[in-house]
Amino acid sequence: GENVEQHPSTLSVQEGDSAVIKCTYSDSASNYFPWYKQELGKRPQLIIDIRSNVGEKKDQRIAVTLNKTAKHFSLHITETQPEDSAVYFCAASSSGGYQKVTFGTGTKLQVIP
Amino acid sequence: DAGVIQSPRHEVTEMGQEVTLRCKPISGHNSLFWYRQTMMRGLELLIYFNNNVPIDDSGMPEDRFSAKMPNASFSTLKIQPSEPRDSAVYFCASSLGTQYFGPGTRLLVL
Repeated sequence: GENVEQHPSTLSVQEGDSAVIKCTYSDSASNYFPWYKQELGKRPQLIIDIRSNVGEKKDQRIAVTLNKTAKHFSLHITETQPEDSAVYFCAASSSGGYQKVTFGTGTKLQVIP
Repeated sequence: DAGVIQSPRHEVTEMGQEVTLRCKPISGHNSLFWYRQTMMRGLELLIYFNNNVPIDDSGMPEDRFSAKMPNASFSTLKIQPSEPRDSAVYFCASSLGTQYFGPGTRLLVL
């Protein structure tokens, strides 16, 4: 089955700096890669996703890149703000998200004001 | 749409008691997932359904756990008998290509 590894497990950055979270996956058939943000005591919420037919996707301060050859994908947050502090999960699916999605172990991001 | 609805939001029970968690998926979604989240084990997939049919229950920890989806708008996760190590947040999520999570049920088994 699919295995998703996520690094780092914790990340502290100064407000205004960039943050990068990296994930690798094992199943070459994976074709859908969502990212979720979970604030303390809340549910995981989708913030951005990418499908395997594109290499990069941006949404304001958030971008995701995908390297299918290396089976890597990354989340980039620019101009970080204190409200970006949360746990971020990457995930991968070989069914376009229609069935099982395998989650990474999460990255706790702390943005220091 | 109200999103995925879960009840109860909080449950405190004593060891040995039966616990039933409920989930109403987003209308039109054809997949439903039950997850358990703890500090030690992270986010674990317990079971998922596609068109009301259980597809993969390999994450269900043991026979004390069972899940049903009698129709497209309702699912239950039952723990009988409950144990202290079952204490966790249980999330339900539904999907039509993108998973959306419910608010979760915080379960504490004393």
